[in-house]
Amino acid sequence: KAGVTQTPRYLIKTRGQQVTLSCSPISGHRSVSWYQQTPGQGLQFLFEYFSETQRNKGNFPGRFSGRQFSNSRSEMNVSTLELGDSALYLCASSLEGARVNKNIQYFGAGTRLSVL
Amino acid sequence: AQSVTQLGSHVSVSEGALVLLRCNYSSSVPPYLFWYVQYPNQGLQLLLKYTSAATLVKGINGFEAEFKKSETSFHLTKPSAHMSDAAEYFCAVKGTDKLIFGTGTRLQVFP
Repeated sequence: KAGVTQTPRYLIKTRGQQVTLSCSPISGHRSVSWYQQTPGQGLQFLFEYFSETQRNKGNFPGRFSGRQFSNSRSEMNVSTLELGDSALYLCASSLEGARVNKNIQYFGAGTRLSVL
Repeated sequence: AQSVTQLGSHVSVSEGALVLLRCNYSSSVPPYLFWYVQYPNQGLQLLLKYTSAATLVKGINGFEAEFKKSETSFHLTKPSAHMSDAAEYFCAVKGTDKLIFGTGTRLQVFP
């Protein structure tokens, strides 16, 4: 079974641009969560999508948004990029959704975004 | 609210030595705890999980962790370190809708 696939692996953008990251979950998984990883803040939760609905959102500005398609693939969009948005963005898929206690999240390799 | 604290941002051991990575949790409900490993330029890989069954949890690559409620700890151990264990390790606790991660411990293994 294929794992979680994130594309692209690397991105370089300039301030003010917008970017879209893609995540394909493990086949059969309906939940996709996004996390931002930076040296200063560590791993921080962005949002979760389950069956095309956003269920929970972390403490990030509205420039960060996402969506999920009927095939469970998810995209994350960041508009008006800032230098501080440089980070590794990780996507995690799970079968039952993050609300289920025993649910396990499987992570992709991430997209490394550099904002110049 | 749940949280985890990882003591020691860097740990160095010799190859063949015991690995001990510390994690303490805070939770108002019975916790679900996880250890993930991250190799350079890769995502997170699940090492093991505690979901209120056995308190001693065995994971992949020879790692195990023991849940100790009295100490609110979930330390990760491996009897004999291998060069390939060099990576960053994250302890996490299950929050309401997300995983809450510790700040990570970078493990170095010297020959």
